[in-house]
Amino acid sequence: DAKTTQPNSMESNEEEPVHLPCNHSTISGTDYIHWYRQLPSQGPEYVIHGLTSNVNNRMASLAIAEDRKSSTLILHRATLRDAAVYYCILRDDSGGGADGLTFGKGTHLIIQP
Amino acid sequence: EAQVTQNPRYLITVTGKKLTVTCSQNMNHEYMSWYRQDPGLGLRQIYYSMNVEVTDKGDVPEGYKVSRKEKRNFPLILESPSPNQTSLYFCASSLSPPGTTQFFGPGTRLTVL
Repeated sequence: DAKTTQPNSMESNEEEPVHLPCNHSTISGTDYIHWYRQLPSQGPEYVIHGLTSNVNNRMASLAIAEDRKSSTLILHRATLRDAAVYYCILRDDSGGGADGLTFGKGTHLIIQP
Repeated sequence: EAQVTQNPRYLITVTGKKLTVTCSQNMNHEYMSWYRQDPGLGLRQIYYSMNVEVTDKGDVPEGYKVSRKEKRNFPLILESPSPNQTSLYFCASSLSPPGTTQFFGPGTRLTVL
């Protein structure tokens, strides 16, 4: 799977939107973009995923650049409970392969009250 | 409630003393896997199972065994633990193929003295 690059940490204020960037310049045409987050002392938690089009769910939105070389996870109104490490992961889901998710170092999101 | 459970959550043991970490899911998922998380190395997959009686090695399988005799359970076995297996372990499950959303357990913190 192709590599992703994320900032080590970001800080935001409570109740403001947060935009978490991810660069993946070597993404292949069949790579899906997955986002997971890991709250303190918990296991990773699925947030959202997409292939080409922007995606929305109850937790967040995923904006994917037209060339797919970057994407942005958007938390529309951050709360203190959103403080976590956010992982951007590429995975080729097209072939039904059995390999797991490859987690990088992620972005440590700090939310200030 | 849909969940992945792990036991024990914390374990301190000594070198060479066999141990088993249990993992159970109630979502009727075919795919289950084990990861270890170490500082600076992210999460790495140890073993995975596509279905009952089907298991395969992940990225770091040395020193571990698994079994999948029932769909809901996927225990991780350390026959002769060593200090380099001190880590935080996560079990995960998903529908097959594993490109779909993976659900993670709460983690087991293992210390081998």
